[in-house]
Amino acid sequence: AQSVTQPDIHITVSEGASLELRCNYSYGATPYLFWYVQSPGQGLQLLLKYFSGDTLVQGIKGFEAEFKRSQSSFNLRKPSVHWSDAAEYFCAVGVQTGANNLFFGTGTRLTVIP
Amino acid sequence: ETGVTQTPRHLVMGMTNKKSLKCEQHLGHNAMYWYKQSAKKPLELMFVYNFKEQTENNSVPSRFSPECPNSSHLFLHLHTLQPEDSALYLCASSQDRGTSGSSQYFGPGTRLTVL
Repeated sequence: AQSVTQPDIHITVSEGASLELRCNYSYGATPYLFWYVQSPGQGLQLLLKYFSGDTLVQGIKGFEAEFKRSQSSFNLRKPSVHWSDAAEYFCAVGVQTGANNLFFGTGTRLTVIP
Repeated sequence: ETGVTQTPRHLVMGMTNKKSLKCEQHLGHNAMYWYKQSAKKPLELMFVYNFKEQTENNSVPSRFSPECPNSSHLFLHLHTLQPEDSALYLCASSQDRGTSGSSQYFGPGTRLTVL
């Protein structure tokens, strides 16, 4: 069965510092992978996605993520965090059947300190 | 309006009330989804509609009743809910279910509190 693990429940970084949020997935084939961000009181906004091809994916707001098949990982990175990046981040895996279901992790809450 | 909208944004109801949540997407998509988001748990997929037909019901209790009159609108009718049903209910849409990996776009959610 598909599953997603986000090992860090809460991360605190200083504004301007680099960020890496971890995501590991379990799926028997090559997955589709997504990162979403949720600001307080809001829905989920798609940051980026990986379908195939280049394993380094660029997204919105200066985020990028790298698919590493050997590690079953899809970690999200940003070189310099802004205070407005404080939010909850969700990794999701989509299966390659026609069902188009997404399986989400439990999220990582990011706090940015001045 | 653009994207996916949901109304109301907040709802407080008693266990004997009947209420409905509304979702509307302005993206020209054909698949729509209801999710439940509870604290410390992954998003739970509740229902899926594709071209107005329900294609998935993830063992959701019958006190939740979805309705999809057309590809742009999705409702979730609520009756005799329990306090544990308090959560954020998110609506999403995607191009269609047959397009593997197509991105899902989410609305802002309805924060439901059951007293």
